[in-house]
Amino acid sequence: SQTIHQWPATLVQPVGSPLSLECTVEGTSNPNLYWYRQAAGRGLQLLFYSVGIGQISSEVPQNLSASRPQDRQFILSSKKLLLSDSGFYLCAWRTPTGGRETQYFGPGTRLLVL
Amino acid sequence: SQQGEEDPQALSIQEGENATMNCSYKTSINNLQWYRQNSGRGLVHLILIRSNEREKHSGRLRVTLDTSKKSSSLLITASRAADTASYFCASNAGGTSYGKLTFGQGTILTVHP
Repeated sequence: SQTIHQWPATLVQPVGSPLSLECTVEGTSNPNLYWYRQAAGRGLQLLFYSVGIGQISSEVPQNLSASRPQDRQFILSSKKLLLSDSGFYLCAWRTPTGGRETQYFGPGTRLLVL
Repeated sequence: SQQGEEDPQALSIQEGENATMNCSYKTSINNLQWYRQNSGRGLVHLILIRSNEREKHSGRLRVTLDTSKKSSSLLITASRAADTASYFCASNAGGTSYGKLTFGQGTILTVHP
């Protein structure tokens, strides 16, 4: 069966510090991968998606970047965090073939920038 | 940017009652999905309805889709306290969109025992 992991679960970082959030998927190959951010009490905003190793598409201009160094690893990074980067970050995956459109979400990382 | 809108933003009902949540979207879709989020957790997929379908059932869930009005509704029948959560609709444009979803702002459902 497939599982998706995110870490850390919670992170408190000072403004200007770097960031690295990791997401890994098990039990599937060549998934589509997605990073979302959720502000408190709001819906999800798609930040990045990836259809393969090294292939990253950005949905919104921002202070963050993403990388996919391995097939089932997706990393969200920042060189210098801003207060506005605080939020709940969710990683998701999807099987790109067979007409399956469901996305499967990880448990999320709550980031607080102070 | 978020294109979907849901109403109500919050819904409070008693156990055993039905809960109806509505969702609107702005662009043509291939399918529309509903997800559930317990407080502070990841999202869980509930049901998917394709653009050529008008109604779909799954257990106590009933989803309708009206593509002419660009709207969908989720009905939870005989609600339980365990149904307390936030519910989101998400539209998928299909084609070369690589499965990207556009989420609504969500409805917070509280079911009182």
